[in-house]
Amino acid sequence: AQSVTQPDIHITVSEGASLELRCNYSYGATPYLFWYVQSPGQGLQLLLKYFTGDTLVQGIKGFEAEFKRSQSSFNLRKPSVHWSDAAEYFCAVGAEGESGYSTLTFGKGTMLLVSP
Amino acid sequence: SAVISQKPSRDICQRGTSLTIQCQVDSQVTMMFWYRQQPGQSLTLIATANQGSEATYESGFVIDKFPISRPNLTFSTLTVSNMSPEDSSIYLCSVEDRGSGMGELFFGEGSRLTVL
Repeated sequence: AQSVTQPDIHITVSEGASLELRCNYSYGATPYLFWYVQSPGQGLQLLLKYFTGDTLVQGIKGFEAEFKRSQSSFNLRKPSVHWSDAAEYFCAVGAEGESGYSTLTFGKGTMLLVSP
Repeated sequence: SAVISQKPSRDICQRGTSLTIQCQVDSQVTMMFWYRQQPGQSLTLIATANQGSEATYESGFVIDKFPISRPNLTFSTLTVSNMSPEDSSIYLCSVEDRGSGMGELFFGEGSRLTVL
């Protein structure tokens, strides 16, 4: 069974500074990997996804993530954080279930706080 | 992309009662998913609902506790039965956009339940 570890529960970054959120996964085959963001009182929004191809994936809102198979990692990065980026971020690994649809396993999330 | 509406957005319930959450999608979808997000925890898949058949429940979730209806391709309900304080969670409805590739889930804003 697949699993996802987000080692950082909380991270505080100054506005304008760079950001990296860590994600490690466990999965027996080539993984489908995702990053979602959840703002307070909101549902989850997909930031980016990796299926195949280029290991550096660009997403919305200036985010990117790099898939490193040797490290089983899919870390999320942003060069300059804005106050509106304060939210909870979830990494997820997907697999095709018996129904042919996805089964996503989520990490426990990292809460990003942005300081002035 | 799919737009998902959930009702209620939040509720406070008494122990022993039941509450039904509604999920409406603005397009026809084959599969709908129900997730639970307990305080400080990640998302856990409760069940997958296919129109016209019984829902498929994940390990640890049973139909008697979380009955699901799926009367058509745009609507589903999740009932949380005989609630206890441990059921206090955010319940999220989700659909997969197969046109965007496997695993791209769209989420409703969630229903935050507090059980006293």
